[in-house]
Amino acid sequence: SQQGEEDPQALSIQEGENATMNCSYKTSINNLQWYRQNSGRGLVHLILIRSNEREKHSGRLRVTLDTSKKSSSLLITASRAADTASYFCATVSDPNQAGTALIFGKGTTLSVSS
Amino acid sequence: NAGVTQTPKFQVLKTGQSMTLQCAQDMNHEYMSWYRQDPGMGLRLIHYSVGAGITDQGEVPNGYNVSRSTTEDFPLRLLSAAPSQTSVYFCASSYSSGSGGSRDTQYFGPGTRLTVL
Repeated sequence: SQQGEEDPQALSIQEGENATMNCSYKTSINNLQWYRQNSGRGLVHLILIRSNEREKHSGRLRVTLDTSKKSSSLLITASRAADTASYFCATVSDPNQAGTALIFGKGTTLSVSS
Repeated sequence: NAGVTQTPKFQVLKTGQSMTLQCAQDMNHEYMSWYRQDPGMGLRLIHYSVGAGITDQGEVPNGYNVSRSTTEDFPLRLLSAAPSQTSVYFCASSYSSGSGGSRDTQYFGPGTRLTVL
């Protein structure tokens, strides 16, 4: 079963607007990761936030983590057409055991039009 | 570094045929995994390995076998292909998984698109 679940499933915005997508997960975590997938390609790692962090920035990306609500959000500011992709959150299946599987949600498909 | 490589890029099989999807990484990563991606389903874990000689099942292991004889290679075998195995298969690797730090970051191969008729 999937650990993370992204919301919304699909998002359409104009260039220059901000895009926010959310991820909810079920069990405790030691970190949460966000990945991007361009159409027909493999996934590319965007950012990792540890369970003791509340917010992290990387360029135009801002990730927040609320462990009390078991949720995370990814904000992309000043979106560009090149940001059109699917975005996935991922957590390990058992944070108490090293070497466990990374489980992905179903993803949010972002479409940025010019 | 080539990163994570997968072969073949495309493959068409008939029902009942067997084949091996190859995956290799040159980053000396201990952790490797196989996922399948179907429309609207995200990525589902098939099998994973925490090091040479050690493998474990993921969410959807039926119909697939894996082995890890070296750190670099992690082939996925389809024993008797079925139309339900039509999918895009991704291999990934990382230094660790579950450690909590940046070494959990996974690197993905470009994928193998498999069609079973």
